[in-house]
Amino acid sequence: GAGVSQSPRYKVAKRGQDVALRCDPISGHVSLFWYQQALGQGPEFLTYFQNEAQLDKSGLPSDRFFAERPEGSVSTLKIQRTQQEDSAVYLCASSLANRVDNEQFFGPGTRLTVL
Amino acid sequence: AQKVTQAQTEISVVEKEDVTLDCVYETRDTTYYLFWYKQPPSGELVFLIRRNSFDEQNEISGRYSWNFQKSTSSFNFTITASQVVDSAVYFCALSEAAGSARQLTFGSGTQLTVLP
Repeated sequence: GAGVSQSPRYKVAKRGQDVALRCDPISGHVSLFWYQQALGQGPEFLTYFQNEAQLDKSGLPSDRFFAERPEGSVSTLKIQRTQQEDSAVYLCASSLANRVDNEQFFGPGTRLTVL
Repeated sequence: AQKVTQAQTEISVVEKEDVTLDCVYETRDTTYYLFWYKQPPSGELVFLIRRNSFDEQNEISGRYSWNFQKSTSSFNFTITASQVVDSAVYFCALSEAAGSARQLTFGSGTQLTVLP
């Protein structure tokens, strides 16, 4: 069965470039989450969507980070003017319903390296 | 604010040994959920278990067992008769029921290495 997919799996960017990371959640999943995982650390929450509505973006580290999910399915995380501290694995997760006890299914992540 | 602490950064055991991974959490909510995820070298987080704050029964699933103790705010994970395939990073996570937040708060993870 199809799980959460993310593309690209690896992205190398020069400092100052803009990048776009894509997430395809499991079909029918209402909730979608983005997390940032630095090397040797646990994932940290960035933002959360319920269908197309971005309900929480409190974890976005700066206004250079922007996420959208215009049709309530695929989501894109955009980082403008990338900096070296943006280097991390970006994980996307989806869950079936908007419930706090719902299991989140994670994608394989996009490893971003900013040179 | 919620917080999850996994004090053990790395653990190394020999195959067939039992191993316990510790997790301590902080939350002001009375209703919350605790999770364990496994992250193998491939990088994808794999769900293992979910417990709610009102259910303190310990759970066993095959070689895995979980000990939830509200009195000490701990949710420890034991692997019995470890195998090489258990080698991975294990994360404990918390979500709170209050408000509209639905995100998981993760600990920093424990790298488990099982040697043959």
